[in-house]
Amino acid sequence: GAVVSQHPSWVICKSGTSVKIECRSLDFQATTMFWYRQFPKQSLMLMATSNEGSKATYEQGVEKDKFLINHASLTLSTLTVTSAHPEDSSFYICSARDSSGDRGPEQYFGPGTRLTVT
Amino acid sequence: KNQVEQSPQSLIILEGKNCTLQCNYTVSPFSNLRWYKQDTGRGPVSLTIMTFSENTKSNGRYTATLDADTKQSSLHITASQLSDSASYICVVMNSGGSNYKLTFGKGTLLTVNP
Repeated sequence: GAVVSQHPSWVICKSGTSVKIECRSLDFQATTMFWYRQFPKQSLMLMATSNEGSKATYEQGVEKDKFLINHASLTLSTLTVTSAHPEDSSFYICSARDSSGDRGPEQYFGPGTRLTVT
Repeated sequence: KNQVEQSPQSLIILEGKNCTLQCNYTVSPFSNLRWYKQDTGRGPVSLTIMTFSENTKSNGRYTATLDADTKQSSLHITASQLSDSASYICVVMNSGGSNYKLTFGKGTLLTVNP
């Protein structure tokens, strides 16, 4: 199956600093990528939809100025958590859509990034 | 409102035993239903994907069923192994074309003990 990578796999940062997480589709081009957040024992919650070459679409309640998304190429999307606070500590998972298949769009998930803000 | 409900919330079984996880959904319009396995601290990995016309699909020791009339699905795990310990998430895709949405269940946390 298709592969989606994330970097870093885990990161610890101090409160007030910014952290960038990268998401790459390794063997297909993804015009659309998705960013999710998952708290312990909770389901994945969609934060935003990232479209290559255009602005991201944020879900209700997600601050676009705090969670900056850049989808500058067909294989890379980045999520920057600005001025991070301890409550931003979570598991961030990206997903990339592969629209090239015969059975319609397929969505592949990355391995996730564990963010801890101290 | 589109929703996916899973039961049980958690389950503990002994190695070698079988188990069945349940998923009820109210997503409309329906496109497909997916079961994912998520190991702790990892991203979800797809196990099965079923469309409206598919009643059952297997992937090794995993067998998923779908009843589109009652909007229910199940995931049956046969001869469980310690490595099956994970969260199993039911996800339903609506048929919104290029603007499709995935609705996630909260998952069933399965623990397989020796």
